[in-house]
Amino acid sequence: GIQVEQSPPDLILQEGANSTLRCNFSDSVNNLQWFHQNPWGQLINLFYIPSGTKQNGRLSATTVATERYSLLYISSSQTTDSGVYFCAVDGGSSNTGKLIFGQGTTLQVKP
Amino acid sequence: NAGVMQNPRHLVRRRGQEARLRCSPMKGHSHVYWYRQLPEEGLKFMVYLQKENIIDESGMPKERFSAEFPKEGPSILRIQQVVRGDSAAYFCASSPSSGGREKLFFGSGTQLSVL
Repeated sequence: GIQVEQSPPDLILQEGANSTLRCNFSDSVNNLQWFHQNPWGQLINLFYIPSGTKQNGRLSATTVATERYSLLYISSSQTTDSGVYFCAVDGGSSNTGKLIFGQGTTLQVKP
Repeated sequence: NAGVMQNPRHLVRRRGQEARLRCSPMKGHSHVYWYRQLPEEGLKFMVYLQKENIIDESGMPKERFSAEFPKEGPSILRIQQVVRGDSAAYFCASSPSSGGREKLFFGSGTQLSVL
């Protein structure tokens, strides 16, 4: 099956710093999403981005489908950005919301 | 528009008891997915349901686990004769259609603890 690898596994930032999180996947995908799991465990959908670039406030994401990777950019980080960031993809042949999640990047933003 | 609602938020069971987890999808969503997050592991797909139909249960353990999404009412994930290894966070997600080309919206999860 498709493999999803995220890097780095852990990241510590000072408030105000910028960061880039990476997601590599081993096969073509129809569906790629980024999620933020906050310290209370809630999963927030950040982007649906199987290709191209999207921006939402201080967050933006780019997926280069032909090279099988996606990047999540966080600018001017805040303590509320802390948590785990997951990349999730479908199996390529699937046309459903059955997603395969990466292991996540744990981000800690210090004041 | 209320989000995906899961209850209970926390559930404690003793070994051998039954656990019932409920999920009400977002208004207008007729597709429901259950995922499980085990300690030290990522989120794993369990089952995909539409109203009154199980579409894909390839991620469900073969025994003790079942899921339903009746015509009326919430989706239910049922775990019979729970064991300590079932302790995990169980998340429900919904989408208006099959979800292959759109965002999935997750509930806040049910944390199951088996004593």
